[in-house]
Amino acid sequence: EVQLLESGGGLVQPGGSLRLSCAASGFTFSNYAMSWVRQAPGRGLEWVSVISDNAAYTYYADSVKGRFTISRDNSRNTVSLQMNSLRAEDTAVYYCAKGSSDSRYSASDYWGQGTLVTASS
Amino acid sequence: DIVMTQSPDSLAASLGERATINCKSSQTVLFTSNNKNYLAWYQQKPGQPPKLLIYWASTRESGVPDRFSGSGSGTDFTLTISSLQAEDVAVYYCQQYCTLPFTFGPGTRVDIK
Repeated sequence: EVQLLESGGGLVQPGGSLRLSCAASGFTFSNYAMSWVRQAPGRGLEWVSVISDNAAYTYYADSVKGRFTISRDNSRNTVSLQMNSLRAEDTAVYYCAKGSSDSRYSASDYWGQGTLVTASS
Repeated sequence: DIVMTQSPDSLAASLGERATINCKSSQTVLFTSNNKNYLAWYQQKPGQPPKLLIYWASTRESGVPDRFSGSGSGTDFTLTISSLQAEDVAVYYCQQYCTLPFTFGPGTRVDIK
């Protein structure tokens, strides 16, 4: 059974940093691209970032480019999102999502339960 | 960036009725080299993460009831629920994964009348 478990969310002051992690199990992690998607309270889904299966390729939404960094450790089956210079508008539930193939151009077929990040003073 | 729009914003239909949601992309999401539309549909129920329903515009994900179907090509797509059930109450999102950054539509809320 595929499982994705996010951790690391919490309350942080604007300008601060947080590191989210997603522990994956139930599939061959190194064979799939992984993404982060966020959802502000009461709002729709916003795609944030993707990393290819071998970490050779990463891409970011314009809203987080230069502030967020996605990475993965295929030996530990984890994907992370380092978030710096956080702003109030980054407040959201952050979901880790598995790509449905090794291509970064794929739909997300499994999602974690999400972790809440609140940037507020 | 490709902009995704959905209509209607919300709909309410009776149990057993057909429900139709439209999704339009600002650029084609059809990749001509493999003739695939890079378009997915997700269902999100309150307090839950999104669930993949449809990918490649019309391929139903394993385990998804066959009352859900996707159609369309290029820039215009439709998600149809052929016979609305109580458990289908949710927000439905389309997403293009043809061009980075991938983008979602604003969502369509489906309720029971």
